[in-house]
Amino acid sequence: EDQVTQSPEALRLQEGESSSLNCSYTVSGLRGLFWYRQDPGKGPEFLFTLYSAGEEKEKERLKATLTKKESFLHITAPKPEDSATYLCAVKADYKLSFGAGTTVTVRA
Amino acid sequence: DTGVSQNPRHKITKRGQNVTFRCDPISEHNRLYWYRQTLGQGPEFLTYFQNEAQLEKSRLLSDRFSAERPKGSFSTLEIQRTEQGDSAMYLCASSSTRGVSGELFFGEGSRLTVL
Repeated sequence: EDQVTQSPEALRLQEGESSSLNCSYTVSGLRGLFWYRQDPGKGPEFLFTLYSAGEEKEKERLKATLTKKESFLHITAPKPEDSATYLCAVKADYKLSFGAGTTVTVRA
Repeated sequence: DTGVSQNPRHKITKRGQNVTFRCDPISEHNRLYWYRQTLGQGPEFLTYFQNEAQLEKSRLLSDRFSAERPKGSFSTLEIQRTEQGDSAMYLCASSSTRGVSGELFFGEGSRLTVL
């Protein structure tokens, strides 16, 4: 069965303090590693897809990287509006299996 | 608004009652998913439709749960004889076979509270 583990569970950052979130996974036949952002009371919002080890994707202050067993989401110089829960998911067939997420709080 | 729409947004019911949630996907999307999310957890897959065909149903879905997608348009998720453990956010998502693989468009969810 696919397993996705995210760490830490929660992360409190000062504005401008860069950090990284980890997603480790076990899946047979990986067909993609995905990052989503979820704001309180809302559905998840797609951020990135990564397909192969060594691949990187960037969007504003976020950068996602992928190795054979884990992915990292780097947040560079975060702002309060980056506060959210970041979810990692893997796809082995047609459905996504999500981790529990990392809740990031950025203080001004 | 052309996003995924879910109704009702909130539902409070007593144990043993039946509830039904509706999802209207993005119009050109042929794939539709139902997920369940509890506090502090990520979304858990419940079921998946491609057009009107229900192609997969999770082991999490007991016989009390049923989902339909008539004519491949909107979908309904019905929970019969609700239990307190059914309290959760029920998320609907849709996607297109022509879009980015794994890019699901989620609705804002239907929050169920079973008293």
